[in-house]
Amino acid sequence: EAQVTQNPRYLITVTGKKLTVTCSQNMNHEYMSWYRQDPGLGLRQIYYSMNVEVTDKGDVPEGYKVSRKEKRNFPLILESPSPNQTSLYFCASSFAGAGSGEQFFGPGTRLTVL
Amino acid sequence: SQQGEEDPQALSIQEGENATMNCSYKTSINNLQWYRQNSGRGLVHLILIRSNEREKHSGRLRVTLDTSKKSSSLLITASRAADTASYFCATDYDSGAGSYQLTFGKGTKLSVIP
Repeated sequence: EAQVTQNPRYLITVTGKKLTVTCSQNMNHEYMSWYRQDPGLGLRQIYYSMNVEVTDKGDVPEGYKVSRKEKRNFPLILESPSPNQTSLYFCASSFAGAGSGEQFFGPGTRLTVL
Repeated sequence: SQQGEEDPQALSIQEGENATMNCSYKTSINNLQWYRQNSGRGLVHLILIRSNEREKHSGRLRVTLDTSKKSSSLLITASRAADTASYFCATDYDSGAGSYQLTFGKGTKLSVIP
């Protein structure tokens, strides 16, 4: 089944404790992206990747890191999480750039930073 | 920000009625997409309309695009309770460097009452 998976789905952590949210797609998509969703603010793009080893900042990249060592995986790293990073996070992928066609979204990761 | 704005923020209708949601944006775009999100879940792509298209249909969905007014509308005909969800427009603005970023609006929350 074609899908985007994220792990973990739910995470409660404390300020400053490094964490990684994994994202994997099995559709051989070149483009992958991370978004965060907050009430009243909609979805905002954190980082995106056009292909292996090619990444770029989105609208809200501060406090996040990403890497794209393999085509299928695009982990999101929070080196020192803070409470303002409490949010619902989505990974997405597509064949071409985000605006060129359908984005496939993962199920989301609900992160709480205490 | 290029972020689109949906209108209304919330809409409640009876089953069988039509639902219309609007999206306005600020700068020139390549494409505009509509997505649906069921409560807290990943977004699902509904339809993409290119900047040189004026209208597009998909099943019970009809999307229009007016680039002169920088606006789009999504019409859902003969609504069903299962259409209850949040609907987002997403714009891919024309930066001249490729369609790598999607900017989402804050969404319209649609409730269809059985």
